Amino acid sequence: EVQLLEVGGGLVQPGGSLRFSCGASGFTFSGYAMTWVRQAPGKGLEWVSAISGSGDSTYYADSVKGRFTISRDNSKNRVYLQMNAVTVEDTGVYYCAKRGSGGSCDYWGQGIPVTVSS
Amino acid sequence: SYVLTQPPSVSVAPGKTARITCGGDDIGSRPVHWYQQKPGQAPVLVIYYDSDRPSGIPERFSGSNSGNTATLTISRVEAGDEADYYCQVWDNNNDHFGTGTLVTVL
Repeated sequence: EVQLLEVGGGLVQPGGSLRFSCGASGFTFSGYAMTWVRQAPGKGLEWVSAISGSGDSTYYADSVKGRFTISRDNSKNRVYLQMNAVTVEDTGVYYCAKRGSGGSCDYWGQGIPVTVSS
Repeated sequence: SYVLTQPPSVSVAPGKTARITCGGDDIGSRPVHWYQQKPGQAPVLVIYYDSDRPSGIPERFSGSNSGNTATLTISRVEAGDEADYYCQVWDNNNDHFGTGTLVTVL
């Protein structure tokens, strides 16, 4: 059974940094790209970043490019998101998801809340 | 940026058919995926590659994609189908999600 579990979210001040991760099990982790998607309170889904199975290729939404870094450790079956220079617009629930056929997100974690506030 | 436009809401009576559209420039040339999200829960993939259903998704859910519009169809709607629905496309090394549609079962 595929399972994804995000850990490490919380409260961070504007301009600050936060790093959280997603642990995966139930599939060959290194064989699949992973992605982060966020959802601001009461809003729709917004793609944040993606990383290839090997970790060699990374992709970012314009809204986070230069501030966020996605990475993965295939030996630990974990994917990470480092957030720097955060703003209140970065507040929301962050989901990690496994990439499936055709670029779909076939499995999702339960989500982790991130609040940017002073 | 690739914009995907969905109607904000669709209302449907139980047992009837709900159709949710996703409009985008030449979307028919790209694989489209659909997600269901209920309040307080993570999204669930209900259709991938335009019209394929993951295991465990009822046959009542179907999809099509042509020209500038992709469509998610829910047949014989049940109360449990009430949720937000999002389309998604991977284009130019970016993911794009639709604006989302709230399906209300009357």
